[in-house]
Amino acid sequence: NAGVTQTPKFRILKIGQSMTLQCAQDMNHNYMYWYRQDPGMGLKLIYYSVGAGITDKGEVPNGYNVSRSTTEDFPLRLELAAPSQTSVYFCASSITGGAGANVLTFGAGSRLTVL
Amino acid sequence: GENVEQHPSTLSVQEGDSAVIKCTYSDSASNYFPWYKQELGKGPQLIIDIRSNVGEKKDQRIAVTLNKTAKHFSLHITETQPEDSAVYFCAASLGAGSYQLTFGKGTKLSVIP
Repeated sequence: NAGVTQTPKFRILKIGQSMTLQCAQDMNHNYMYWYRQDPGMGLKLIYYSVGAGITDKGEVPNGYNVSRSTTEDFPLRLELAAPSQTSVYFCASSITGGAGANVLTFGAGSRLTVL
Repeated sequence: GENVEQHPSTLSVQEGDSAVIKCTYSDSASNYFPWYKQELGKGPQLIIDIRSNVGEKKDQRIAVTLNKTAKHFSLHITETQPEDSAVYFCAASLGAGSYQLTFGKGTKLSVIP
């Protein structure tokens, strides 16, 4: 199993450009998440999804959009890139319900720089 | 909402010594406390977790303790090795049914050979 796969690993954007960070998992997890990690600031939740067709905002959703058309995929879209969105983005997933609901499996991350 | 404070932000220890990282949380309803290890260039990986119905949990060289009255929990690594060098994150959650973990800001542990 590949686990959680994120693409691209690195990307440089100009201010105002748009892009989509891709995330796919092959573990049949219903729950998926997008976090951003800034130096010295830990992980902040951007959006999460509890299943196909269901998404909800996390702590820092402004400037981002998500969709969840399948169980496997959870893309994150940046519509008008701003320097404040320079960060490392992590996608994660977890199993459905019970004691394992919060055990996150993370991808390797996507480093985004906005210039 | 929940707030998690983590200390220290950096920690250097000699190989073979012990390392302790401490976290406090604000929401007394939180009942799930995981620890994640992030190696350079990789995503965080769960190393141990504890739920509010236990006070301590061990897994080989790592252990986590929880004091619900004081609202703090700690990660203990004994006999540290160079491969323990990484960034460690604590987190708190309301447990099953709550999908949002609140993370601390992380501790960069360096184990000096």
